[in-house]
Amino acid sequence: QAQLVQSGAEVKKPGASVKVSCKASGYVFSGYSLYWVRQAPGQGLEWMGWINTNSGVSEYSQRFQGRVTMTRDTSITTAYMELSGLRSDDTALYYCAREEAVGPTRAFDIWGQGTMVTVSS
Amino acid sequence: LVLTQSPGTLSLSPGERATLSCRANQGVSSSYLAWYQQKPGQAPRLLIYGASSRATGIPDRFSGRGSGTDFTLTISRLEPEDFAVYYCQQYGSSPSVTFGQGTRLEIK
Repeated sequence: QAQLVQSGAEVKKPGASVKVSCKASGYVFSGYSLYWVRQAPGQGLEWMGWINTNSGVSEYSQRFQGRVTMTRDTSITTAYMELSGLRSDDTALYYCAREEAVGPTRAFDIWGQGTMVTVSS
Repeated sequence: LVLTQSPGTLSLSPGERATLSCRANQGVSSSYLAWYQQKPGQAPRLLIYGASSRATGIPDRFSGRGSGTDFTLTISRLEPEDFAVYYCQQYGSSPSVTFGQGTRLEIK
């Protein structure tokens, strides 16, 4: 069945960068866009951006412009999210999610298990 | 675009009916309105897409409706496993995706 498996937890120092991976399986990777969403401890969901896995084109939330880069490697059906200039308030659980389009509708039908990123000196 | 969910917390008993609201500060396309359920320690799970269509495997006690700026998720008869946090979400032009702040459904 279709699934997304993310890389393991990371601990980083302020100012460092982190790169989280999202391995897709069970479906045609380039047929679906992938989105990244984060959730700070005890908080709600925040959209970070998305990548067209076919073309490689990405779009980022203004909140993360200049700090985030989303890429993909179609040969290994894996997407990546790199966040630089880490601050303590970047401590969060980072999710990748697949966008499903059914007719005119769109939603995130499959989610990764999440990757905890902790930023601490 | 801002999505405001109410109430922030809803306390109900199993067997009762739950009504969760999601209000947008400007009109949104019903095609792009979805609802998710999140339990502690788990990733969100898609419940409803296109404002009213149930995702695969979602029980029919979950239903969604609405249009324009007002959307509702209803759970007709609460089961113990339904107590969780619920988020509405919509696609727009800028930003592309917005989530509501969530409604916590807790056991009374």
